[in-house]
Amino acid sequence: KAGVTQTPRYLIKTRGQQVTLSCSPISGHRSVSWYQQTPGQGLQFLFEYFSETQRNKGNFPGRFSGRQFSNSRSEMNVSTLELGDSALYLCASSLGSGGKYFGPGTRLTVT
Amino acid sequence: DAKTTQPTSMDCAEGRAANLPCNHSTISGNEYVYWYRQIHSQGPQYIIHGLKNNETNEMASLIITEDRKSSTLILPHATLRDTAVYYCIVRVETGGGSNYKLTFGKGTLLTVNP
Repeated sequence: KAGVTQTPRYLIKTRGQQVTLSCSPISGHRSVSWYQQTPGQGLQFLFEYFSETQRNKGNFPGRFSGRQFSNSRSEMNVSTLELGDSALYLCASSLGSGGKYFGPGTRLTVT
Repeated sequence: DAKTTQPTSMDCAEGRAANLPCNHSTISGNEYVYWYRQIHSQGPQYIIHGLKNNETNEMASLIITEDRKSSTLILPHATLRDTAVYYCIVRVETGGGSNYKLTFGKGTLLTVNP
């Protein structure tokens, strides 16, 4: 079974722009969550979706948003990019109460 | 979620068992212990989880003390590819199964030496 895939893998944007990142979960997994990883703050939870509904949200500004489609694929969007948004963005999917399976991440650089 | 305490770093010789400790003294009765690891520049990898009983899978064993205030992840025969940051996480089982978040600490950097 294919793992979690994320596109694009690398991205360079300019301050003020917006960006959309995509995540395809493992087939059959209905829960998708997003995490941001930076050297200073480590891994931080952004939000989680299940059956197209946001179920949990972390402490990030409203510039960070996401959605999930009927096929469980998910996107996250960051508007009005800031230098501090440079990070590795990780998507994870899960089936039940077991572990979450992470994708390779999207490395976003904001200049 | 309960807070966890892990050593910042550990070393292990290749082929030997690696025993990674984790303290979670404020854990509640319905909170599970999860272990993940992250190899440099890759996404975290799920290893194992447990509630009360010891657990074993193809990757590792999880030993949880009877009072559940601490646990140990055991990699029976460490290889160089096991060099990674290992995270011990305690989370609440919500009953809905999939809906929970992971609160990562700083983890333990395990270095396996040849």
